[in-house]
Amino acid sequence: DGGITQSPKYLFRKEGQNVTLSCEQNLNHDAMYWYRQDPGQGLRLIYYSQIVNDFQKGDIAEGYSVSREKKESFPLTVTSAQKNPTAFYLCASSIERGYGYTFGSGTRLTVV
Amino acid sequence: GQQLNQSPQSMFIQEGEDVSMNCTSSSIFNTWLWYKQDPGEGPVLLIALYKAGELTSNGRLTAQFGITRKDSFLNISASIPSDVGIYFCAGLLIYNQGGKLIFGQGTELSVKP
Repeated sequence: DGGITQSPKYLFRKEGQNVTLSCEQNLNHDAMYWYRQDPGQGLRLIYYSQIVNDFQKGDIAEGYSVSREKKESFPLTVTSAQKNPTAFYLCASSIERGYGYTFGSGTRLTVV
Repeated sequence: GQQLNQSPQSMFIQEGEDVSMNCTSSSIFNTWLWYKQDPGEGPVLLIALYKAGELTSNGRLTAQFGITRKDSFLNISASIPSDVGIYFCAGLLIYNQGGKLIFGQGTELSVKP
C-alpha cells in the first residue's frame, strides 16, 4: 500500500545535539512538507520542497535544515540552534499544486 | 506567515448534540479542506471544498466554502464518542508551480457519553 512513513515515532535527545527526523513516501508525490505542531497553535510550516534538489523555507525555518536528494525522501534536521525543539513534527506529501495532501503519523521529539 | 482564524478553540458536548466550527481568513483561498487528528497521529482529510458556495457532506459531516472565499464552516450532526479529536481547517495556497496548505489553530472536540 502507498503511504508516507515517519520514523521514529518517539525521539529523545539531549540539549545541544542535532537530530534528524526521517520522512519517506512511496506515493510518487513530487512535493513534500514539514510541519511543527505545538498545543493550541495548529500546524506551522517549516520547510517544503516541490521537486528533487530544491526546497524553500516556510514560516518557522530558523534552527532547521532539510535535504531532498531523492523524490521519496525529505529528512528534517533539528539543529542545536533551534531554541525550543520539543514538539510534534508532521511530514506530508502532495501531487502537483498542493492537491492530494497526505500526512505521516508524526514524530514526537523531546529534548531534555 | 498567513493565518486562518479557527473557532472555537475547544468544545465540550454531550453525545448526540450537533457541533459547528468555522474558519475565517483575510486572504482568498481556492480550496478549503477540513482535517481530523486523533491523539499522536497525523491529520486525516474529512472534506475538500473547491468552489465558492459549495456545500459538501460526508456522512454526519457537512462543510461549506464561503461565497467570499475567505471562510468555511464544518458541522457534525448527532455526535458520537469517536468524534473526539482535533479538527483543523486548511486553505490551499497556490503559487507559481506549487501549492501549500495553511492551517487554522484547531478545534479540540470532547464528547461526553
